[in-house]
Amino acid sequence: DAGVIQSPRHEVTEMGQEVTLRCKPISGHNSLFWYRQTMMRGLELLIYFNNNVPIDDSGMPEDRFSAKMPNASFSTLKIQPSEPRDSAVYFCASSLASSIGSGNTIYFGEGSWLTVV
Amino acid sequence: AQKVTQAQTEISVVEKEDVTLDCVYETRDTTYYLFWYKQPPSGELVFLIRRNSFDEQNEISGRYSWNFQKSTSSFNFTITASQVVDSAVYFCALSFSSGGYNKLIFGAGTRLAVHP
Repeated sequence: DAGVIQSPRHEVTEMGQEVTLRCKPISGHNSLFWYRQTMMRGLELLIYFNNNVPIDDSGMPEDRFSAKMPNASFSTLKIQPSEPRDSAVYFCASSLASSIGSGNTIYFGEGSWLTVV
Repeated sequence: AQKVTQAQTEISVVEKEDVTLDCVYETRDTTYYLFWYKQPPSGELVFLIRRNSFDEQNEISGRYSWNFQKSTSSFNFTITASQVVDSAVYFCALSFSSGGYNKLIFGAGTRLAVHP
C-alpha cells in the first residue's frame, strides 16, 4: 500500500522565493497534518485538516505560511516569501479519524527537507 | 497542560545491551493515546506502537517491549539485545481531544546510538 507521499524530498531555495510543498495522503484517510521539525523546536504541528477543511491552524508561524487541501488526495503548504529560519524538515501525515477521541494512528510521509539560503 | 517529556537526550550503548527509553506524559484527559515513533538516519518517521489509556497491559513485539503505567504517567520503551540498526531518534507522542478533534504532540526525542 502506498504511504503518505511528499514532494519534493529536498529543496534548496533563495531567501524571498516562494516554496510549495506537496502531499498526497493515504487513500481513504480523512485527516491530514503538516508538521515541521527543527533542532530547536522539535516536531511542531502546523495545521490540521479534517475532511479537507482546516480545523486547527494555530501552529502556523505567520502569514507567510499557508496551506490548502483542495480535495481528499492532495494538500499543499506554501511559504511566501521564504526566509532562512524556515529551513526545516516538513512532514505531512494522515490518519483515519473515525471518531472524536479515537486516537487513530497518524502515518507520516518521508518529509520534505527545505533549506533557504 | 498536555505535555510529553523525554528526559534522555542521547543514549549510547554497545550492541546486545538492553536499553530503556523513558517517556513521561501529562494530560487532563481520561481518554488519550500514547505512541512511539522511530526516526532512523534516513529521516522518515516510522510508527511503532499505539496504546490507549484504558489498556495498561505491557506489550512485546520481538525485541521491543513497552511498559505503560498510569500511576506514574509513564510509557517506557525497552529494546532487548540492541542492534546497530536500532540506532535512531525515538519519539514518544500523546494524542488527545482538542477542539473536538484528535491532536498529536511529541516529546523532544531520544537519540539512541548502538555501537558494534
